[in-house]
Amino acid sequence: DAKTTQPPSMDCAEGRAANLPCNHSTISGNEYVYWYRQIHSQGPQYIIHGLKNNETNEMASLIITEDRKSSTLILPHATLRDTAVYYCIVRAQVTGTASKLTFGTGTRLQVTL
Amino acid sequence: DGGITQSPKYLFRKEGQNVTLSCEQNLNHDAMYWYRQDPGQGLRLIYYSQIVNDFQKGDIAEGYSVSREKKESFPLTVTSAQKNPTAFYLCASIPGSSGNTIYFGEGSWLTVV
Repeated sequence: DAKTTQPPSMDCAEGRAANLPCNHSTISGNEYVYWYRQIHSQGPQYIIHGLKNNETNEMASLIITEDRKSSTLILPHATLRDTAVYYCIVRAQVTGTASKLTFGTGTRLQVTL
Repeated sequence: DGGITQSPKYLFRKEGQNVTLSCEQNLNHDAMYWYRQDPGQGLRLIYYSQIVNDFQKGDIAEGYSVSREKKESFPLTVTSAQKNPTAFYLCASIPGSSGNTIYFGEGSWLTVV
């Protein structure tokens, strides 16, 4: 399974866009990139996922580079409630059985006034 | 509603005792996972199971045991052999097909007293 690398921490002013990078240089062609966040040691919350194309939902946008070796999670207008640890996860496409999940180190995002 | 249920939320254990954490899912998912999280740290994989009656060790399986007798249940036993069991434990599951959301439980706090 591909490994991921994330910066340990980032700061963002409230109302500004938060751009969280993830490196997954060993990703395989059938592996998806998932983003989750965790607040106060609760269960991680799903944000978004993608394979090749950029994705957008009501929470965030996911930008995946053309070579798929890195991606960026964008929170367009960060609020204080977005303060959390953000995890970038790579998951292989299933072919009959599921693969094991590989977690990155996580980025602690601090949103400030 | 469908989801993953972990119990108990908080558990205290005396040294030398075994304790079992419950994880139940009604999502009809094939694969289930157990992770350990220490304060301020990321998630580390303990065990995972892809199908009933089959499971594999993760990165930190020593001192833990699991069973997968039913598709919906994947209990984790923290044995007395686990020297530092105080931690936050997370259960997750995913369907058998690719590109689907990974579901997490809300976690169980285990404290050894």
